[in-house]
Amino acid sequence: DIVMTQSPDSLAVSLGERATINCKSSQSVLHSSNNKNYLAWYQQKPGQPPKLLIYWASTRESGVPDRISGSGSGTDFTLTISSLQAEDVAVYFCQQYYSGRTFGQGTKVEIK
Amino acid sequence: EVQLLESGGTLVQPGGSLRLSCAASGFTFSSYAMSWVRQAPGKGLEWVSGLSGSGGSTYYADSVKGRFTISRDNSKNTLYLQMNSLRAEDTAVYYCAKFRSNSINDAFDIWGQGTMVTMSS
Repeated sequence: DIVMTQSPDSLAVSLGERATINCKSSQSVLHSSNNKNYLAWYQQKPGQPPKLLIYWASTRESGVPDRISGSGSGTDFTLTISSLQAEDVAVYFCQQYYSGRTFGQGTKVEIK
Repeated sequence: EVQLLESGGTLVQPGGSLRLSCAASGFTFSSYAMSWVRQAPGKGLEWVSGLSGSGGSTYYADSVKGRFTISRDNSKNTLYLQMNSLRAEDTAVYYCAKFRSNSINDAFDIWGQGTMVTMSS
């Protein structure tokens, strides 16, 4: 199984500042046939189901604010919130869907 | 509005069985692969099972293979998860999730609110 490891486990960021979450896969999730990274990011707020933010590593889901972006390729990926808002407080998960489907352990984002 | 509504979660004894249901609305159900994902209390997300739009292809996590069975009734727009030989480690919120396409190698774009399955000792 592909293991997904996120860092840090939690971070506290001031309102308006940048938040950066890293996700590393134990093997590449870049498919050579279509040059796509099989990597998604989700946001989960307390008591709610996860919400899709990003797929194919960098494609923003409809309705997701453009302050949230995804980048990376192969085994190393990043989710960036360029200017943290109060509504961004949540746990964020990365997920690979290249081989099976596995999630990172989650990163909790709080306001400093 | 696209919606998934799970039901069937309850308190069950280890070794028991349970069937979860997920009623879908707002999209052409048979055109999309579907899945179950679970989350133990205070823990992360674990993919459990998935199947194609026709139901002809099914997939399972090793942790549930041989104990759980996923199925769908496209005439009723409903997804099911039959859970047998339940264990303490199966305690979790079970989410029904829709794949973005009819491929299981895709992201989950719609999630239900979840249904809680708890093992009682």
